[in-house]
Amino acid sequence: QVQLQQSGPRLVKPSQTLSLTCAISGDSVSTTTAAWTWLRQSPSRGLEWLGRTYYRSKWYNDYAVSVKSRITINSDTSKNQFSLHLTSVTPEDTAVYYCARDLIIAVAGTWWLDPWGQGTLVTVSS
Amino acid sequence: DIQMTQSPSSLSASVGDRVTITCRASQNIHSFLNWYQQKPGEAPKVLIYAASTLQSGVPSRFSGSRSGTDFTLTISSLQPEDFATYYCQQSYNTPPWTFGQGTKVEIK
Repeated sequence: QVQLQQSGPRLVKPSQTLSLTCAISGDSVSTTTAAWTWLRQSPSRGLEWLGRTYYRSKWYNDYAVSVKSRITINSDTSKNQFSLHLTSVTPEDTAVYYCARDLIIAVAGTWWLDPWGQGTLVTVSS
Repeated sequence: DIQMTQSPSSLSASVGDRVTITCRASQNIHSFLNWYQQKPGEAPKVLIYAASTLQSGVPSRFSGSRSGTDFTLTISSLQPEDFATYYCQQSYNTPPWTFGQGTKVEIK
C-alpha cells in the first residue's frame, strides 16, 4: 500500500520561499511507472496542478505555466521523497498543498492521481 | 489549457437516489478523464480512471461513461457515505492536468 506523508511549515512570509516535502512509502521515487506531483486547492482557484518530477533513465520535470518562473520540484532518492519549492510567495499562494503519485498505464497513455498526501494548509502572511 | 466544465455545482439528494454528475471538456480528450471524491478535511480519492474503469475497492454503484467530450459520473443508489464533493480531471496527452470546479452532493 503506497502512502505519502507531507511535511513542512504552515506559515510563510510574503516574498519568501514555500518548501514542502513528501515522503514515499510502498513505492520508489525512481519508479518508471509514475510521476510525483504537487497540486494545491483554494476557494478562488479550485484544484490546481502545479508540476511533477519523474524518472525515465534521467529526471524530467513538468511545471504549470502559472508558476513556472517560481517553482522547483526535485527528488531525493536516498530518502525516497520529493519536494516542492515555490519562491517569492504572495497571499495568493495561500492554499492547501497536496502531493500525489501520478500513475500511468503506458500502453494506454492513461494517467491518474493515486494516492494523495494528507494535505498541508500553507498560509502566506506577515 | 483544456477547460473542464462540471455541472451542477451542487445538488441535494436522498439516500437511495440515482445521482448523475456531468463534466464537459473544451476539446476532445478521448477517454483520458478521471473522477475523484473528496470529503471535508480529506484529500481527493480516485473513483474512476480512463472515463469508465472503476478503481480497485470502489463500490460498483459508481460508474462512469463518455459521449464525445461529455463525461458522466453516476451513483446508482446514493449511500450516506457518498455525501461529498466530486471532481473530474483530464489527463490527455501532456500536462497541465486540469480539474472541474466540483459538485457538492448534499443530503436532502
